[in-house]
Amino acid sequence: DAMVIQNPRYQVTQFGKPVTLSCSQTLNHNVMYWYQQKSSQAPKLLFHYYDKDFNNEADTPDNFQSRRPNTSFCFLDIRSPGLGDAAMYLCATSSYVSSYEQYFGPGTRLTVT
Amino acid sequence: AQSVTQLDSQVPVLEEAPVELRCNYSSSVSVYLFWYVQYPNQGLQLLLKYLSGSTLVESINGFEAEFNKSQTSFHLRKPSVHISDTAEYFCAVSSNNAGNMLTFGGGTRLMVKP
Repeated sequence: DAMVIQNPRYQVTQFGKPVTLSCSQTLNHNVMYWYQQKSSQAPKLLFHYYDKDFNNEADTPDNFQSRRPNTSFCFLDIRSPGLGDAAMYLCATSSYVSSYEQYFGPGTRLTVT
Repeated sequence: AQSVTQLDSQVPVLEEAPVELRCNYSSSVSVYLFWYVQYPNQGLQLLLKYLSGSTLVESINGFEAEFNKSQTSFHLRKPSVHISDTAEYFCAVSSNNAGNMLTFGGGTRLMVKP
């Protein structure tokens, strides 16, 4: 089945230690998104790609970076995680044709100790 | 700018009772509307969507939502809930003017009790 895959599902990192979360998709969608979701809150868009065209939300901290080496993969790098970065990170994809409809991965739960 | 308001942060309900989760949106242009469901420690799953056409949309597991343009609402309903429906429900809006980005409401936690 075509899907959005996120690895790992659970990640523990230490305060200040860089961490990378990964997302892959078999839907062949052009658009990929990263969201941050804190407990009992709605997902908050961090950035998205139209193909390789990177779009950063204005309030996304510089501590968060992203890479998209090809259509299928996208990475979220947190350069120096703080305790406030503990959250669920969701990857989503959509196609140009129906870009309003997003397909979400299962998420990665990040814990910062 | 578009926005979504989910009026209830939590809705407790007894099993087999009907439920309505309320969603109101604000937008100056035509919109697409969505309901997503999120089970604990999982991603969002699309429950149903309104793009155009019939204002009443249904999901395969018994939920339905009705687009009401005059009231700018998209309430989610189910006539008889199950324990397994316990989850967080997010209403979302998108539009061409917003670059098709999703704007989410704050979520409603549905708690079905035996």
